[in-house]
Amino acid sequence: AQSVTQPDIHITVSEGASLELRCNYSYGATPYLFWYVQSPGQGLQLLLKYFSGDTLVQGIKGFEAEFKRSQSSFNLRKPSVHWSDAAEYFCAVTNTGGFKTIFGAGTRLFVKA
Amino acid sequence: GAGVSQSPRYKVAKRGQDVALRCDPISGHVSLFWYQQALGQGPEFLTYFQNEAQLDKSGLPSDRFFAERPEGSVSTLKIQRTQQEDSAVYLCASSSSGQPQHFGDGTRLSIL
Repeated sequence: AQSVTQPDIHITVSEGASLELRCNYSYGATPYLFWYVQSPGQGLQLLLKYFSGDTLVQGIKGFEAEFKRSQSSFNLRKPSVHWSDAAEYFCAVTNTGGFKTIFGAGTRLFVKA
Repeated sequence: GAGVSQSPRYKVAKRGQDVALRCDPISGHVSLFWYQQALGQGPEFLTYFQNEAQLDKSGLPSDRFFAERPEGSVSTLKIQRTQQEDSAVYLCASSSSGQPQHFGDGTRLSIL
């Protein structure tokens, strides 16, 4: 069965510091992988996606993620965090049929001044 | 509108009442999804429509949950005889073929 694990429930970083949010997945074939961000009371906004090709994908707001098949990971990174990045981040995997999406439990990011 | 619209934004109901949650997808989006998001958790898949056809309803927690999309656009998620454990945010998403899903802001349902 598909599953997504985000090991960190919450992370605190200083503004301007680098960020890495971890995501591991379990899936039998090459998955479609996503990172979403959710602010309080809002829906989910897509940050970036991986379907195939280059394993380093660029997203919006300066985020990037790297697909590592050997580690079943898809970690999200940002070189310099801004206070406005404070939110909940969700990693997700979709089956190759493209419709049933499994989300991780999320990582809440706190940014301190 | 430009995005996925859900109504109402907030719904409070007494245990045992029926509720109906509405989703207006992005115009032209063939696929429509419903998710349930409990407090502090990630969204959990409930059901999926392609046009008016409900292709997967494996995530619906019980037969009290029912979803429809009769004309292939607007969808309604209905919960009968609500229970306290139904309290959650219900998210709707839509997409065009092979593209990522666009999410609405959700309906926060509270069962007293």
